[in-house]
Amino acid sequence: GNSVTQMEGPVTLSEEAFLTINCTYTATGYPSLFWYVQYPGEGLQLLLKATKADDKGSNKGFEATYRKETTSFHLEKGSVQVSDSAVYFCALKTDSNYQLIWGAGTKLIIKP
Amino acid sequence: DTGVSQDPRHKITKRGQNVTFRCDPISEHNRLYWYRQTLGQGPEFLTYFQNEAQLEKSRLLSDRFSAERPKGSFSTLEIQRTEQGDSAMYLCASSLSTANYGYTFGSGTRLTVV
Repeated sequence: GNSVTQMEGPVTLSEEAFLTINCTYTATGYPSLFWYVQYPGEGLQLLLKATKADDKGSNKGFEATYRKETTSFHLEKGSVQVSDSAVYFCALKTDSNYQLIWGAGTKLIIKP
Repeated sequence: DTGVSQDPRHKITKRGQNVTFRCDPISEHNRLYWYRQTLGQGPEFLTYFQNEAQLEKSRLLSDRFSAERPKGSFSTLEIQRTEQGDSAMYLCASSLSTANYGYTFGSGTRLTVV
């Protein structure tokens, strides 16, 4: 079946450090891939998405590239800020399934 | 477009009471989803509507939970005879029908059963 695996957290970094949060997936067909962010006490916000192989999604300095050969969609940011502290969820969706399939989430803590 | 709205933001109720939450999706979105999220966990699917039709309900959902979406617009989620284990954040999301379209979530309703 379809599934998403994320690196376990928490991930703790200093401000201005480089960020990578790994996400790999298993899916039949050609899924669309998403990163959502959840700030403390809030709902989930779509951060970025990619709908086909080699697409790069980007938003707010975050990027992720849809790699079909490695079935990955790793989230990166060149220089993190304290305000990036949140939980990040990787997810996928296929044409045959209305549901988003979620990773377990990765908590990111940025220290000043 | 004001996004997905949920009401109330917070609800504290005594065990055994009934509660009802409301979700107003983005107007042109035909799909509406309810999720539940407990602390430190990812979203757990509860139920899904396409227009006014409830197409799936999670097997994890007890008979105390019911959802409606009259006229395919706003939706309500009711929990009867609440239990302490129902304490969670209840999230509503809406989307278009296409696979490459992600969900837009509301801010959620945090339920505390005391």
